[in-house]
Amino acid sequence: AQKVTQAQTEISVVEKEDVTLDCVYETRDTTYYLFWYKQPPSGELVFLIRRNSFDEQNEISGRYSWNFQKSTSSFNFTITASQVVDSAVYFCALTSTWESGGSNYKLTFGKGTLLTVNP
Amino acid sequence: DGGITQSPKYLFRKEGQNVTLSCEQNLNHDAMYWYRQDPGQGLRLIYYSQIVNDFQKGDIAEGYSVSREKKESFPLTVTSAQKNPTAFYLCASSGGAGYQPQHFGDGTRLSIL
Repeated sequence: AQKVTQAQTEISVVEKEDVTLDCVYETRDTTYYLFWYKQPPSGELVFLIRRNSFDEQNEISGRYSWNFQKSTSSFNFTITASQVVDSAVYFCALTSTWESGGSNYKLTFGKGTLLTVNP
Repeated sequence: DGGITQSPKYLFRKEGQNVTLSCEQNLNHDAMYWYRQDPGQGLRLIYYSQIVNDFQKGDIAEGYSVSREKKESFPLTVTSAQKNPTAFYLCASSGGAGYQPQHFGDGTRLSIL
């Protein structure tokens, strides 16, 4: 079965520090999709990025960057110059075609990493 | 504005009672989902529906039921068979194929009296 591991339960940094959130995944499928979501204290999950298994290109969006490495089954997320507004729980998630019964509708989430950015 | 509306925000259930959580979306999405979130457990899929009048069990469907009579609505009933219903419940929707990003509501927090 597909699995997502976020080994860091909680991270605390001081504003302007860089921080990397780790995500390791497991799937037997060759076609899969990885996601990162942010959950602020309000509770709603906000989509940040999707990456498919055929695209190992790293991505940068403002202060956010993602490093996808199939060789190590990792999809890590880095926040540069962190800000207090970045404080949230961050979830990594995976869906794979075969393990979802061909539809990719079953999304498996990691347990999340609580990031606290202190002023 | 387009989005997903969950109601109520807080809900209390007495022992032996069924309660229904509402989820409505105006994004014209075909697929809708219900997740349960417990502290330290991440999100777990309860049920999902790819299209009207069709739905599938997720990983923890026991003690829950759903219906999908309209495209925009996907209510979740927490039955008395669910012995540990206290949790945060999130509804989501996505358009097109299943690998499309899911859009989430604000959630309903269910507690037992």
